[in-house]
Amino acid sequence: ETGVTQTPRHLVMGMTNKKSLKCEQHLGHNAMYWYKQSAKKPLELMFVYNFKEQTENNSVPSRFSPECPNSSHLFLHLHTLQPEDSALYLCASSQDTASGGKTQYFGPGTRLLVL
Amino acid sequence: DQQVKQNSPSLSVQEGRISILNCDYTNSMFDYFLWYKKYPAEGPTFLISISSIKDKNEDGRFTVFLNKSAKHLSLHIVPSQPGDSAVYFCAASAKTGANNLFFGTGTRLTVIP
Repeated sequence: ETGVTQTPRHLVMGMTNKKSLKCEQHLGHNAMYWYKQSAKKPLELMFVYNFKEQTENNSVPSRFSPECPNSSHLFLHLHTLQPEDSALYLCASSQDTASGGKTQYFGPGTRLLVL
Repeated sequence: DQQVKQNSPSLSVQEGRISILNCDYTNSMFDYFLWYKKYPAEGPTFLISISSIKDKNEDGRFTVFLNKSAKHLSLHIVPSQPGDSAVYFCAASAKTGANNLFFGTGTRLTVIP
């Protein structure tokens, strides 16, 4: 496997369910990101991890809970979501978050539908 | 308020001609700009970038131009090919912060054979 992978690719869940999105990067990077893309809106940054430490939480509701056990893996735990949380969730990685390491490489995304 | 804007939601170009995609930004702290290409059901793919110390960066058929005084950048694709048909996103990041990328809403390019 190369690049950034995400599983599952599609997910349908009820508002009372708990699910997790998984991201894995095979690029040797140290920074990982979660983005949300809603219909007709630009990508919105949700969380940033650099060397396993969370460095950014972009005012994301607590029903989204990230976890970064190591530099290669990133999870997004979901619970009691709302229908308006239906979106494409994209994971990305970069060498780090310092100057010069800023190009981010994206996974294919998880298309989430909350019923 | 959106800090990166792509005002043209779509663009159609004949194969072999030049495609010009435009992007405007409002934050003068942005110092690094990127273009991503996205096919349906795939994540954005990095295409080309430019630092604010330059005004042009070229990579094969793709050239990005940066006009800092106008807070404007553009992506030129020449010659355009049918395989270039995709949604193109402009993104920018600032000198400070955790490498946050701010994205535009994208421009759908269609290259007509």
